[in-house]
Amino acid sequence: GAGVSQSPRYKVTKRGQDVALRCDPISGHVSLYWYRQALGQGPEFLTYFNYEAQQDKSGLPNDRFSAERPEGSISTLTIQRTEQRDSAMYRCASSLGRGSEQYFGPGTRLTVT
Amino acid sequence: QKEVEQDPGPLSVPEGAIVSLNCTYSNSAFQYFMWYRQYSRKGPELLMYTYSSGNKEDGRFTAQVDKSSKYISLFIRDSQPSDSATYLCAMRVTGGTSYGKLTFGQGTILTVHP
Repeated sequence: GAGVSQSPRYKVTKRGQDVALRCDPISGHVSLYWYRQALGQGPEFLTYFNYEAQQDKSGLPNDRFSAERPEGSISTLTIQRTEQRDSAMYRCASSLGRGSEQYFGPGTRLTVT
Repeated sequence: QKEVEQDPGPLSVPEGAIVSLNCTYSNSAFQYFMWYRQYSRKGPELLMYTYSSGNKEDGRFTAQVDKSSKYISLFIRDSQPSDSATYLCAMRVTGGTSYGKLTFGQGTILTVHP
């Protein structure tokens, strides 16, 4: 079946603009996670959802970052007033439940110029 | 200091060699330990999964966890060129709101040359 999909795959934006990154999890997966991965580093946790409820947002760097999953399926990560330091690969993962194996998507490469 | 430390390498070995990859961690609440493999321009894929201390074997791969030393290892026997990838250790706790959160190491770049 289809894996986790993310769009867009690449996003170039100017400093100060808002961006919205989309994640479509594997069908039937209850839990959805957002990570950020800098070049040469492992993924860094941002936030996760069980169904539509945001369970843990301790990894969001500041209040410019927010995420939602209103119907318990597709999720959007929004970054307001982007800064150059926000440039990274943003990865989404989903799992059957919060303790189950996490399947990662291909990521969205964000570049802020 | 990061919660999970992993030597980034790079590590280059000849085909057939035994590879040892390691991570140390500081959070004693970690109970689940994983190894992910990440090929270039792809997302991480789960390779091995271990709960608490002990060994787990799956084909050419063996994962070891020593909670007393806060040290985990992944061994690859008879390494193949197709094993060339970045290997990431990851860990998580057993309960609470952070139950779903994975904490990753930096990743070790492995190249197996024919």
